[in-house]
Amino acid sequence: DAGITQSPRYKITETGRQVTLMCHQTWSHSYMFWYRQDLGHGLRLIYYSAAADITDKGEVPDGYVVSRSKTENFPLTLESATRSQTSVYFCASSSSGTGNEQYFGPGTRLTVT
Amino acid sequence: AQSVTQPDIHITVSEGASLELRCNYSYGATPYLFWYVQSPGQGLQLLLKYFSGDTLVQGIKGFEAEFKRSQSSFNLRKPSVHWSDAAEYFCADVRHNTNAGKSTFGDGTTLTVKP
Repeated sequence: DAGITQSPRYKITETGRQVTLMCHQTWSHSYMFWYRQDLGHGLRLIYYSAAADITDKGEVPDGYVVSRSKTENFPLTLESATRSQTSVYFCASSSSGTGNEQYFGPGTRLTVT
Repeated sequence: AQSVTQPDIHITVSEGASLELRCNYSYGATPYLFWYVQSPGQGLQLLLKYFSGDTLVQGIKGFEAEFKRSQSSFNLRKPSVHWSDAAEYFCADVRHNTNAGKSTFGDGTTLTVKP
């Protein structure tokens, strides 16, 4: 299917576990983004990528790792999950970094117990 | 660094009434401003955007926004609200830096529509 997808949609994990959230887009967009959404904080940028093998930190990168070996995939890994990482995570893609719409995935609701 | 402020956390309007959601940005250079809408349990959908040209921009679903540089504002308006407009609305400034773009979102405004 065309578009941007995220998996899983819901995830419950325990503190200290590693968890990877997947993001896949079919438009061959250069830019991809990871956000977290928390009540009262809107969306905060975790990491973004301007192209395959190019990634950079956003506003709240601590505790997260990203990679982008292929243009269409942009996985986000929590190496050792903490309760403070309980959130809704959104992936987005865009054809450029300026002036172009970001297309958002449906989100992954992550709960860390 | 740029910032985006949405002063109103929650707004309630009656169906059929007009709506204005406020957004203020802070950055010296020309901003790249967007309004997104998020329905419950959904991702974000673009309503409209501005980065040059006519300062009054039209978007989908009957929304419009006006860029006012003197007030550093990009307020979203709709003349007559429908019950289906109940959602959360986000203003964003997408800034291009050399080879990468960074996004700054406001904290959002939740719109409730009374019948």
